[in-house]
Amino acid sequence: AQTVTQSQPEMSVQEAETVTLSCTYDTSENNYYLFWYKQPPSRQMILVIRQEAYKQQNATENRFSVNFQKAAKSFSLKISDSQLGDTAMYFCAFLYGGSQGNLIFGKGTKLSVKP
Amino acid sequence: EPEVTQTPSHQVTQMGQEVILRCVPISNHLYFYWYRQILGQKVEFLVSFYNNEISEKSEIFDDQFSVERPDGSNFTLKIRSTKLEDSAMYFCASSEQGAGATQYFGPGTRLLVL
Repeated sequence: AQTVTQSQPEMSVQEAETVTLSCTYDTSENNYYLFWYKQPPSRQMILVIRQEAYKQQNATENRFSVNFQKAAKSFSLKISDSQLGDTAMYFCAFLYGGSQGNLIFGKGTKLSVKP
Repeated sequence: EPEVTQTPSHQVTQMGQEVILRCVPISNHLYFYWYRQILGQKVEFLVSFYNNEISEKSEIFDDQFSVERPDGSNFTLKIRSTKLEDSAMYFCASSEQGAGATQYFGPGTRLLVL
């Protein structure tokens, strides 16, 4: 069975600084996808970034980038130039390519961006 | 930008009552999902739905749960006889394609069973 682990329950960062959120996962599959979702206090779960396991290149979306280490089964999220609006719960999620939608989530990391 | 919407945002019910949670997926999406998050715990998959059929379901999705697409826009989750342990945030999601597709989530319905 696949599992997702986020070892940092809470983190904080100063505005404009860079922060990295950790995620590790366990799977024996080769065909899978990884995601980071953001859940601000409004509770809407928002997609931050997506990575296909077959792609070696790390995904990037503006200030958000990932460090995908397939052999180590690690998928960390780097947020550059942190903004107050980045304050949220961040969830790492795994999706097996053969699944019909069963996203497996980590427990989340609560990120606070301080002015 | 198109969004998944859910109603109601909050619902309080008595144990043993039936509840229906409603979702309007993004209009051109064909795949639909329900997840739940018990307070302080992980988000858990309940069920996926495509072409008016359940594609996959978890162990949580037992006989007291059912899903339906009653018309061209709504996607519902029914809990027949609620239990205290059904208290949770329920998220609907949708995707354009199936396996491997990005799922877009709604804001959730907070269900409290008394």
